Amino acid sequence: DTAVSQTPKYLVTQMGNDKSIKCEQNLGHDTMYWYKQDSKKFLKIMFSYNNKELIINETVPNRFSPKSPDKAHLNLHINSLELGDSAVYFCASSDLGDKNTGELFFGEGSRLTVL
Amino acid sequence: SQKIEQNSEALNIQEGKTATLTCNYTNYSPAYLQWYRQDPGRGPVFLLLIRENEKEKRKERLKVTFDTTLKQSLFHITASQPADSATYLCALASGGSYIPTFGRGTSLIVHP
Repeated sequence: DTAVSQTPKYLVTQMGNDKSIKCEQNLGHDTMYWYKQDSKKFLKIMFSYNNKELIINETVPNRFSPKSPDKAHLNLHINSLELGDSAVYFCASSDLGDKNTGELFFGEGSRLTVL
Repeated sequence: SQKIEQNSEALNIQEGKTATLTCNYTNYSPAYLQWYRQDPGRGPVFLLLIRENEKEKRKERLKVTFDTTLKQSLFHITASQPADSATYLCALASGGSYIPTFGRGTSLIVHP
């Protein structure tokens, strides 16, 4: 029973296209995240979102936008894709409530290749 | 600027030995520090968390130390096994945001 699932696992597309990556968590967590892992393996926070607040890493281009239809989902939309957007994108969730252990639960990643 | 530094070179050790990985940080006041394991093609998996007021944490063959004066955490795997081969990431979270920021990770290779 997958805790954090993201689709698609692989995505190959042309420059200029718009694409989305979906993420769902069944852990009942109140906070979800998107991280980008580049070719140098750096895992960088893009967004953090709970039902109260969206925190955006200021270095993320506004072509990237998170959309949360409900507490269990945080999708990532990317407009006008560029070559530099090629990376592995990880969705994660955590519980920032009183029993916060700080642990992030990650999905398996979505590898985006922009041609 | 804030930095989290982990050895970029892979650590090669023999099976049965203790592996020690280092995480140094600057310009942070972390509320806690975490260690994750990442296997190729997979997402990171949480291993241990240590809070700013804790010096040491253990879990089975794993031990983490946290020295806020030196701004350093050490991650030890005792009696290492080839199955421990992976990339190990440290992550820090400040009390203000609780969003973990990750180091680049260190690759550990345990030889049989």
